[in-house]
Amino acid sequence: DIQMTQSPSSLSASVGDSVTITCQASQDITNYLNWYQQKPGKAPKLLIYDASDLEAGVPSRFSGSGSVTDFTFTISSLQPEDVATYYCQQYDDVLVTFGGGTKVEIK
Amino acid sequence: EVQLVESGGGLVQPGGSLRLSCAVSGFTFSGHAMNWVRQAPGKGLEWVSSISGSGGTTYYADSVKGRFTISKDKSKNTVFLQMNSLRAEDTAVYYCAKDQGPAVPGTFDYWGQGTLVSVSS
Repeated sequence: DIQMTQSPSSLSASVGDSVTITCQASQDITNYLNWYQQKPGKAPKLLIYDASDLEAGVPSRFSGSGSVTDFTFTISSLQPEDVATYYCQQYDDVLVTFGGGTKVEIK
Repeated sequence: EVQLVESGGGLVQPGGSLRLSCAVSGFTFSGHAMNWVRQAPGKGLEWVSSISGSGGTTYYADSVKGRFTISKDKSKNTVFLQMNSLRAEDTAVYYCAKDQGPAVPGTFDYWGQGTLVSVSS
């Protein structure tokens, strides 16, 4: 199975700050990488697919980049409603795997 | 509007069985793979199983292979997850998720609200 290592596991930042999360795959996954947001008690929501494509309706302050094994997710200006846990997910292998998650809080 | 509504969760004893259902609407059911993803209490997301839009191909995580079976009823626009030989470690919220594509598990663009499965004596 492809292992997805996500870091940090948690972070705290101020409103308006830029926030960056990284995700590293254990092998080449090209750009088959998605990012999801999960708010407490809610189902996950797709934000970014194919490493850098913004899902329809998602604010432009969210972005993704990277390829091969190293990927980055950025919130350009953190808002109170962005408090959530964020997960990366690879689908290069049919045995889909998720990263461990990054919990984002407001300082 | 795309909707996915799970049902069938509950409390079951170790070794028991449970069948989850996911009723969908708002898209062409046969045109998209469907998936089950679970989340143990306080833990991260774990992909469990997928079925192709045609229903002809299925995929399972190693942790459930041989115990869980995914299927679909095209006449009812419903996906099922039959769970047998349940273990305490299967305790989780189970989410049904629609795939962007028709065949293999990939990008999960719509999710249900989840149904809780608790395995305990």
